[in-house]
Amino acid sequence: DAGVTQSPTHLIKTRGQQVTLRCSPKSGHDTVSWYQQALGQGPQFIFQYYEEEERQRGNFPDRFSGHQFPNYSSELNVNALLLGDSALYLCASSRLLVNTDTQYFGPGTRLTVL
Amino acid sequence: SQQGEEDPQALSIQEGENATMNCSYKTSINNLQWYRQNSGRGLVHLILIRSNEREKHSGRLRVTLDTSKKSSSLLITASRAADTASYFCATDSGVNTDKLIFGTGTRLQVFP
Repeated sequence: DAGVTQSPTHLIKTRGQQVTLRCSPKSGHDTVSWYQQALGQGPQFIFQYYEEEERQRGNFPDRFSGHQFPNYSSELNVNALLLGDSALYLCASSRLLVNTDTQYFGPGTRLTVL
Repeated sequence: SQQGEEDPQALSIQEGENATMNCSYKTSINNLQWYRQNSGRGLVHLILIRSNEREKHSGRLRVTLDTSKKSSSLLITASRAADTASYFCATDSGVNTDKLIFGTGTRLQVFP
């Protein structure tokens, strides 16, 4: 049973560019959440997708957008990249209708903005 | 914003010793989870404790939760070099169990 997978592993972009990160949830999971983790910090919640819609959103600007596909996989898009967007981006999957369900995390995508 | 704060920020011990990490949070919760992260990679789920539980065990891990003090502790017994990692506590918002709010983490170094 494959766990949460993310691609790519590493990415280098320049300021002003756009980036798309991808996530495939754990088998049987229908909900995908995205987190940003700056160096030396804990992960910060960006948003969550369920049934192909954004269900919750953290305190991130509109430059951060996402999408969920019918197979539950998800993309995170960041436009007009800033140096401060350099971070580890983590995807987590879970089952929405299961209370106290554990969120399983992928290995992350390390984004560097130059 | 960070909900939880782990203490200490860093901890160095010898193999075989016990490691204790503490986490404090600010708002009411439904559950609290502990995660481990190796070298800036993905988070590995360790244990979940519900707000109506006071203590939980999993292998060499022991977690306690004191909702009156809004605090939790993670004890790793008989530590091993492989336990070297960052440890994070994560809480839900108390309103919705899906959005996790993480603390700043404790960096544990176990020397052989």
